[in-house]
Amino acid sequence: DVKVTQSSRYLVKRTGEKVFLECVQDMDHENMFWYRQDPGLGLRLIYFSYDVKMKEKGDIPEGYSVSREKKERFSLILESASTNQTSMYLCASSLPQVVEQYFGPGTRLTVT
Amino acid sequence: LAKTTQPISMDSYEGQEVNITCSHNNIATNDYITWYQQFPSQGPRFIIQGYKTKVTNEVASLFIPADRKSSTLSLPRVSLSDTAVYYCLGRAGTYKYIFGTGTRLKVLA
Repeated sequence: DVKVTQSSRYLVKRTGEKVFLECVQDMDHENMFWYRQDPGLGLRLIYFSYDVKMKEKGDIPEGYSVSREKKERFSLILESASTNQTSMYLCASSLPQVVEQYFGPGTRLTVT
Repeated sequence: LAKTTQPISMDSYEGQEVNITCSHNNIATNDYITWYQQFPSQGPRFIIQGYKTKVTNEVASLFIPADRKSSTLSLPRVSLSDTAVYYCLGRAGTYKYIFGTGTRLKVLA
């Protein structure tokens, strides 16, 4: 069974902290995604990676960076967390040229 | 600017057919449109994808008109367990993935 795991289900951080969200997939997928989900706004793409060390900005990359050193792992980094980054963060993966994405359970991040 | 819109919420009774429409402009003409289901505290789960006309699987049907500016997810005979949020997804470019804002479906007994 395909699986995408995220390092934490719930996370509480203080303003200004550096935050790492980790995502691991076991399906040997080339594509990996980071989304944030907010009420009334649906899912918005932050960053997308189509291969190791390759990345593309999504709709809302400001305040975020990503790292993909290994195929199975995609990290989202908040360099200096702010309260407006309080949200649900979802990681997903897919095969290239395929729109079917497999999602992790999400990390609910609260920045105080 | 690519954009997808969906109704915010819908209510239905058990056993009824439910149709949820997503309007999308600037979706790539050579790409699939996909629908997802999301339960509370879970990530979205793939339901169905289609390119044009009609696609049916064991869970749902998907209708896409020739102009591909909209798509309609059809859930036959819904049950209480179909209560969830439903999202459409399309691509407006190679790396431009656009999710709809989601439709919250509530199935009533």
